[in-house]
Amino acid sequence: KAGVTQTPRYLIKTRGQQVTLSCSPISGHRSVSWYQQTPGQGLQFLFEYFSETQRNKGNFPGRFSGRQFSNSRSEMNVSTLELGDSALYLCASSLNPTGANVLTFGAGSRLTVL
Amino acid sequence: DQQVKQNSPSLSVQEGRISILNCDYTNSMFDYFLWYKKYPAEGPTFLISISSIKDKNEDGRFTVFLNKSAKHLSLHIVPSQPGDSAVYFCAAVNAGGTSYGKLTFGQGTILTVHP
Repeated sequence: KAGVTQTPRYLIKTRGQQVTLSCSPISGHRSVSWYQQTPGQGLQFLFEYFSETQRNKGNFPGRFSGRQFSNSRSEMNVSTLELGDSALYLCASSLNPTGANVLTFGAGSRLTVL
Repeated sequence: DQQVKQNSPSLSVQEGRISILNCDYTNSMFDYFLWYKKYPAEGPTFLISISSIKDKNEDGRFTVFLNKSAKHLSLHIVPSQPGDSAVYFCAAVNAGGTSYGKLTFGQGTILTVHP
């Protein structure tokens, strides 16, 4: 059974640009969550999608957005990139839409903003 | 506001000894707790979890203890092996609420197990 797949794995952008990251969840998983990991900050929740609907959102500016497609694949977009957006962006999927969620994470997309 | 805290950034132990990783939380609504392990260049992988109705959960070499009154949980690894060297994150969620994919993570503890 394939795991959570994230593309691209690494990318470099410059300030002011925008970026789109992609995530394919485990087959059958309909909930997809996104997290940002920066040194010393642990994992910060960005948003969650289920059945193409954003159900939960973290405390990030509107430059961070996402969407989910009918096949449960998800994308997140960051516009007007800032140096502080350099981070590892992790996608996770889960089978249960609520409750005691065990999230399965992908390997992440490492974004560097110059 | 850091609702989940791992106050030890790093821990070093000898192979075969016990590793104890600690985690504190402040939100009394949290009722389900998880530990994840992360190797470099990989995503976090689920290790073990515990519900607030229990005070202990064991899975092989890994045991998680929960002290609700102290809002404290710990992960014990016995015996520790060099392959356990990784970053360990604790996470918490209000399973009965509308958490919808949101786990609240601690900052992580780097565990190094020396041969």
